[in-house]
Amino acid sequence: EAQVTQNPRYLITVTGKKLTVTCSQNMNHEYMSWYRQDPGLGLRQIYYSMNVEVTDKGDVPEGYKVSRKEKRNFPLILESPSPNQTSLYFCAAGTDYGYTFGSGTRLTVV
Amino acid sequence: AQSVTQPDIHITVSEGASLELRCNYSYGATPYLFWYVQSPGQGLQLLLKYFSGDTLVQGIKGFEAEFKRSQSSFNLRKPSVHWSDAAEYFCAVGARKAAGNKLTFGGGTRVLVKP
Repeated sequence: EAQVTQNPRYLITVTGKKLTVTCSQNMNHEYMSWYRQDPGLGLRQIYYSMNVEVTDKGDVPEGYKVSRKEKRNFPLILESPSPNQTSLYFCAAGTDYGYTFGSGTRLTVV
Repeated sequence: AQSVTQPDIHITVSEGASLELRCNYSYGATPYLFWYVQSPGQGLQLLLKYFSGDTLVQGIKGFEAEFKRSQSSFNLRKPSVHWSDAAEYFCAVGARKAAGNKLTFGGGTRVLVKP
């Protein structure tokens, strides 16, 4: 089954404590992206990758890092989380013709 | 820059009634257009997509959408709503080979279904 797997599904952390949200896909897609979803704002792109070792900023990259060392994995790193990064995060993998999304990670930073 | 507007934040519809969700987009060329649905606590599921050709697109779960270039619209419709259609619906425009085919989403429309 084609899928994008994110972990963890839920995470509560404290301000400043580094964390990583993992993302893995089994579809061999070249494109991967991270989005955050906030009420009334829809989904906004944080970072994207068009292939291994090729990453670039999306619309809201501040406070986030990513890496793409392998085609299947695209972790999202928050070096020093802050409360304004409390959100629902989605990883997606796709092609020019659309994306498959993971189930989401709900992050709360206190 | 691409953008998407979903004018209706909430829509309430009776079970069995028809549903239409509005979507207007801004894009400099022929767009890639998508509708996704998000059920409570779930991820996003692709309902349908438009790239070219026939402007009436059929999707899963009995949904269809019509691309109207003159109106910059891509409205989603369903003839008869079921209680399981209660969810949030997102329209999106794709960047076509740029920015990893970046999807720009509208703010979403939450659909409530009355019995």
